Amino acid sequence: KAGVTQTPRYLIKTRGQQVTLSCSPISGHRSVSWYQQTPGQGLQFLFEYFSETQRNKGNFPGRFSGRQFSNSRSEMNVSTLELGDSALYLCASRRTQGGGLAVSSYNEQFFGPGTRLTVL
Amino acid sequence: GIQVEQSPPDLILQEGANSTLRCNFSDSVNNLQWFHQNPWGQLINLFYIPSGTKQNGRLSATTVATERYSLLYISSSQTTDSGVYFCAVERTGTASKLTFGTGTRLQVTL
Repeated sequence: KAGVTQTPRYLIKTRGQQVTLSCSPISGHRSVSWYQQTPGQGLQFLFEYFSETQRNKGNFPGRFSGRQFSNSRSEMNVSTLELGDSALYLCASRRTQGGGLAVSSYNEQFFGPGTRLTVL
Repeated sequence: GIQVEQSPPDLILQEGANSTLRCNFSDSVNNLQWFHQNPWGQLINLFYIPSGTKQNGRLSATTVATERYSLLYISSSQTTDSGVYFCAVERTGTASKLTFGTGTRLQVTL
C-alpha cells in the first residue's frame, strides 16, 4: 500500500507570494492533518480535515488555509508569505471514522515526506 | 493545552549500547506515538502505544497511561539509529491533534 505523498518536495518563494502544497493520503484514510516544523517552534499542528470539513485548527494566522477534496486529497495554502513561514510542512493521514473512536488503531497517524518551503 | 516533555534532549552512545528515552505528558491521552525523524525530515512510525508494552526487533516501548509517561527502549544501538526521536500525544477528547515533544537527538558512534 502506498504511503502518504506530498508535492512538491522543495519550494522556494519570495515574501508576499502565496504557495499551495498538496497531500495525498494512504488509500482508505479519510483524515488528513497538516503540521509545521521549524527549528524554533518544533512540530506544530496546523489543521485537520475529515470528509471535506475542517475538524480542528491550530493556532496559526488566517494566512494559512486548507481544503480537502472528495477523494480525501488535501491542499494547504499560505498567502502573503513571510520569512518566518520557512519550514518543513508535513502532512499526516489516518483511517479514523467520524465522531467516536470505536477502533483505537484507527487513530494512528502516518506522515508523508514533507515539503520544505524556503521564503526569501 | 497538553504538555509533552522528552528526556534527555541529547544522547550520544557507542554502537552496541542500550538506551531509554522518556516522554512525560500532562493529561490523559487516547493516542501516543513514537517517531524517528530521518535526516531527510520524514517521520517514521515506531510505535502506536496509548497504553501497554510493545516490541519490534531491537526497539520496545511501554506506556503507563495512569502515570502519564512512556518509555522507548533501544537495545544494541546501531549507527542507523541516529536521528531525532519524537513522542506525540493526542489528548482525550481532542480529535486528531497530535502534540509533539521537543524530541531526543540520538547520535550513535562507532
